[in-house]
Formats: sequence, structure tokens, C-alpha cells
Amino acid sequence: DAGVIQSPRHEVTEMGQEVTLRCKPISGHNSLFWYRQTMMRGLELLIYFNNNVPIDDSGMPEDRFSAKMPNASFSTLKIQPSEPRDSAVYFCASSSIGGVQETQYFGPGTRLLVL
Amino acid sequence: AQSVSQHNHHVILSEAASLELGCNYSYGGTVNLFWYVQYPGQHLQLLLKYFSGDPLVKGIKGFEAEFIKSKFSFNLRKPSVQWSDTAEYFCAVTRSGGYQKVTFGTGTKLQVIP
Repeated sequence: DAGVIQSPRHEVTEMGQEVTLRCKPISGHNSLFWYRQTMMRGLELLIYFNNNVPIDDSGMPEDRFSAKMPNASFSTLKIQPSEPRDSAVYFCASSSIGGVQETQYFGPGTRLLVL
Repeated sequence: AQSVSQHNHHVILSEAASLELGCNYSYGGTVNLFWYVQYPGQHLQLLLKYFSGDPLVKGIKGFEAEFIKSKFSFNLRKPSVQWSDTAEYFCAVTRSGGYQKVTFGTGTKLQVIP
């Protein structure tokens, strides 16, 4: 298996622009997580999907952030409009059997820089 | 809500030295505990995990961790580190049962000097 796939790997954009991050989980996994990693706040869970349904979005910073999972093999995290403080590495992770007790497999991350 | 503390932010060791990274959590109930590693430029990978049973857990690459419930700790150890262990290490905790949010510590950067 190719593992969790994220695109793009790097994104540089200007403040105010829309940013869309993409994730393909491991085939057969039914849980998907979006995380944000910054120096100041470490690794934060943004949103968790189980069977394509958002279960916990309490970590989503504000209305500028939205996430979707239209099917079992694809998810997006959108920031609109982007701000410099959104600069971070965004990780997608997936796991099987639908529980966080299961091992999460992380993607390589998208390094976002908002100027 | 639970929280995780990793008090060592940056650790520098020489090769062959022994390693112990601290991890403390705050939650009085039953927990699941994890250590993840992030090598430079790579994504997070699971080192080891504890759900129940033997509190001494062995993971990959010679790492082990001991769950001490009375101390709310899950420290990571390795008897002899190698240069290739240079990475950032994250402790994580979740409550047991159903869906429970995973909380990560802020990470410890380990630098091993040849």
C-alpha cells in the first residue's frame, strides 16, 4: 500500500487566498484525521471523520476552516480566506476499525506558508 | 479534558548513551498511551502503544516504555541510542472506550551526536 497520500507537499500563498489541502487515506481505513503542527502549539487535532461522517470538529479553529470527506478515499481541508497565522504543517492520518485506539498512519504532511 | 506534558523539549546525547524521555498525562480514568516518532523531514510513525496488560511495552528499534499508573507516566526508554535516533518524539493519550480525542504532547527533540 502507498500509505496516506497528501497533496500538495508544499504550498505558498498570499493572505486572503483560498487554500485546499487533499488527502487519500489508506485503502480500507474508515477513520480519517486532520492535524495541524506548529512550533507554538505542537500537534493539534482539527477534525475526525468516521465512515465519511465528521465526528469531532471541535479542533477546527474558526469558520475559515472547513473539511469534507465525499467518499472513503478522499478528503479535503479548505482554508478561506487564508491568514499568515495559518502557516503550519498539516497532516492527514487514517486508521481502521473506527477508533482512535487503533494506530494512526500519518501522511507526509503539507507545509503551508501564508505570506 | 486530558492533557499531556513532555517536560524535555530538547535532549542532546552522545551515541551509546541511555535515553529516557518523560511523559505525564492528566486523566484519572483508563487511558491508551502512544509514542510516535518523527524523523527529520518525515511523517509521524508509531513507536509503541499501551492499551492494557503488561505495563512494560516494547516497540520498534529497541525502544520501550513503562506505564506507571500511580505516577500518570509513560516514559520512553532506550538503553543505547544511535545517531539514527535523532528525531522528534511525541507522547499521546486517549481515554479508553469508543471515540475519544487523541491529545499529543508538544514533543521532545532528540539530537544524537556521533
